[in-house]
Amino acid sequence: KNQVEQSPQSLIILEGKNCTLQCNYTVSPFSNLRWYKQDTGRGPVSLTIMTFSENTKSNGRYTATLDADTKQSSLHITASQLSDSASYICVVRPYNFNKFYFGSGTKLNVKP
Amino acid sequence: DTEVTQTPKHLVMGMTNKKSLKCEQHMGHRAMYWYKQKAKKPPELMFVYSYEKLSINESVPSRFSPECPNSSLLNLHLHALQPEDSALYLCASSQGGSASYNEQFFGPGTRLTVL
Repeated sequence: KNQVEQSPQSLIILEGKNCTLQCNYTVSPFSNLRWYKQDTGRGPVSLTIMTFSENTKSNGRYTATLDADTKQSSLHITASQLSDSASYICVVRPYNFNKFYFGSGTKLNVKP
Repeated sequence: DTEVTQTPKHLVMGMTNKKSLKCEQHMGHRAMYWYKQKAKKPPELMFVYSYEKLSINESVPSRFSPECPNSSLLNLHLHALQPEDSALYLCASSQGGSASYNEQFFGPGTRLTVL
C-alpha cells in the first residue's frame, strides 16, 4: 500500500534555532519526492523536489535529503524565522502515474 | 508565468445553491487536479484530468462535477452540497506524463462554506 508518513506531527522551536522534519514512504515505483510549505488557508508552495538519484537539495535555508534505499527523506531548516511557521508536507509521486501521495504534514511553530 | 489562479477566493452557499469553482493555468501543463482540504489535514485528491480527459475520480459524490473545457481551464460545479463539504478546495497542475521532475503547482485555494 502506498503511504507517506511524517513526523513529528507538530513542533515548536525558538526563532534562530534549527530543526529537522522526517518523511518515510512506501510509494513504489518511486519517481520523485517533494517538500511543500503551506501557510494556513493557502495553497502549498514547493520547497524542493528530488528524484531517486539525488541525495540532497537546498533552497536557501531549507535542505532536503533523500535516501531511496531506506525510503526516507528529511527537511532541515536552518536559522528558523517567524515566517517559517507553517505546515510542511511531504509528497511522493510514483513513476508514470499522475497521482501524488501526501503525508499528513508537520505543523511548525516558530516562537520569538 | 508559473501561477495557478483560482476564483473565487471565498464562497458561501446554501445547500440548494448551484455554484462553480474555477481554476486556470498558462504553463502548458496537461494534468490538472482538484483537491479538498479540511482543517489540519493534508489535501485529499478528488479528480485528475490528463490531456483534458478525466483520468482519476476518487469516488467523489456526484454533487461535485468537474469539467475541463480546455487545457488551461478546470471547473468544479457544485450542487446540493452538505455542510460537511465546507473546506479549502485546491486546484493544481503539472506537466503530465512520466517526466521525473513532474511537479505540481498549487493555486491559492477557494474557501467554501456550506450553510
